[in-house]
Amino acid sequence: DQQVKQNSPSLSVQEGRISILNCDYTNSMFDYFLWYKKYPAEGPTFLISISSIKDKNEDGRFTVFLNKSAKHLSLHIVPSQPGDSAVYFCAATLPRGNEKLTFGTGTRLTIIP
Amino acid sequence: EAGVVQSPRYKIIEKKQPVAFWCNPISGHNTLYWYRQNLGQGPELLIRYENEEAVDDSQLPKDRFSAERLKGVDSTLKIQPAELGDSAVYLCASSSTQETQYFGPGTRLLVL
Repeated sequence: DQQVKQNSPSLSVQEGRISILNCDYTNSMFDYFLWYKKYPAEGPTFLISISSIKDKNEDGRFTVFLNKSAKHLSLHIVPSQPGDSAVYFCAATLPRGNEKLTFGTGTRLTIIP
Repeated sequence: EAGVVQSPRYKIIEKKQPVAFWCNPISGHNTLYWYRQNLGQGPELLIRYENEEAVDDSQLPKDRFSAERLKGVDSTLKIQPAELGDSAVYLCASSSTQETQYFGPGTRLLVL
């Protein structure tokens, strides 16, 4: 049972344009969501997060949007840069006290120069 | 500040052999996690430690997998005996209580 889903295994975007990565979840008890970025042969690195009490969180070129009614979140990267090429994982956790991260299957983003 | 250190980075063994992975977390992080990532999938939690106590090992296949964190710092994950289906990347992560998890580079295991 995949509780966190990333339905697009890959995405290609022109440099300078906006990249939008999507994530859906099924467990309504999730209350904290994170995006991790992973380069080959490295572990995932934390990118940005959002609490379920918010609908938007922004950090520089990265913005995460949360739509609780649709159980959907998205990561926007603008403008996209070649160094953004990586695999992006969406993850979710239950209310504080349980730090288990439930990950999606990842989306491979390729930025075309 | 040093990140999470894991060794070895790569391991190739024959099935039925034992294998062990080592992890040294970020200094001061009392929570340590072991994840397994299969090809094309996201990481899945195997076990979580708070200091030296395993507080969540519900996903650890206890018939062949074991883990320890004796002094509440570094940790070892062992598989004995290994099976073909254990081929995966084994990731260690650490965090301060209820804070962001920081991952190591992982150990890529291939069981032949």
